[in-house]
Amino acid sequence: QVQLQESGPGLVKPSQTLSLTCTVSGGSISSGGYYWSWIRQHPGKGLEWIGYIYYSGSTYYNPSLKSRVTISVDTSKNQFSLKLSSVTAADTAVYYCARDIGGSGHFDYWGQGTLVTVSS
Amino acid sequence: NFMLTQPHSVSESPGKTVTISCTRSSGSIASNYVQWYQQRPGSAPTTVIYEDNQRPSGVPDRFSGSIDSSSNSASLTISGLKTEDEADYYCQSYDSSNPVVFGGGTKLTVL
Repeated sequence: QVQLQESGPGLVKPSQTLSLTCTVSGGSISSGGYYWSWIRQHPGKGLEWIGYIYYSGSTYYNPSLKSRVTISVDTSKNQFSLKLSSVTAADTAVYYCARDIGGSGHFDYWGQGTLVTVSS
Repeated sequence: NFMLTQPHSVSESPGKTVTISCTRSSGSIASNYVQWYQQRPGSAPTTVIYEDNQRPSGVPDRFSGSIDSSSNSASLTISGLKTEDEADYYCQSYDSSNPVVFGGGTKLTVL
């Protein structure tokens, strides 16, 4: 059974960089065919896809966030990470990592989510 | 870019059937698979339908998905409603330029 677990600071100051890591267990992040995604959900709102990475390092980002987002992968640790720069209060959200089968939004495994609050 | 539009909320009584629609703004709904996710309060989403009409193992057959090219929409139908079905439901699809697009979500109330 594949499990994903987000980790990182729950509080980030405005203008700083939000950094989260997703640790994958029960399966290899290097398995072909899967895209490792970040998705967020503003309080009381819907789902917003941030981007994904393939184990080879190829990435694709949501155009609305592309200028501030970096997703990276560490296959040796079976982890992938999110960095979101120049954050504001509008980036306060629950951040989920998830496994996407084929890169078209079919998410079969999700992390539990982690709330990140942007505040001074 | 295309959008997926869902009703903000729907409600129905236990034992009844409810259908949630998801209308694609541009491009053919039939050209790219649609997934449906259920999200209960405080929990991560889970898949109830993938590839238009496929149910993951463990999802009861009360859940079904379909697409209608004439209205360019997808639908999630839940029959024999149970109180445990009360949740938010999101449709999701994609195209060559947009790998992941979510609908705005529909709050299902079972009263």
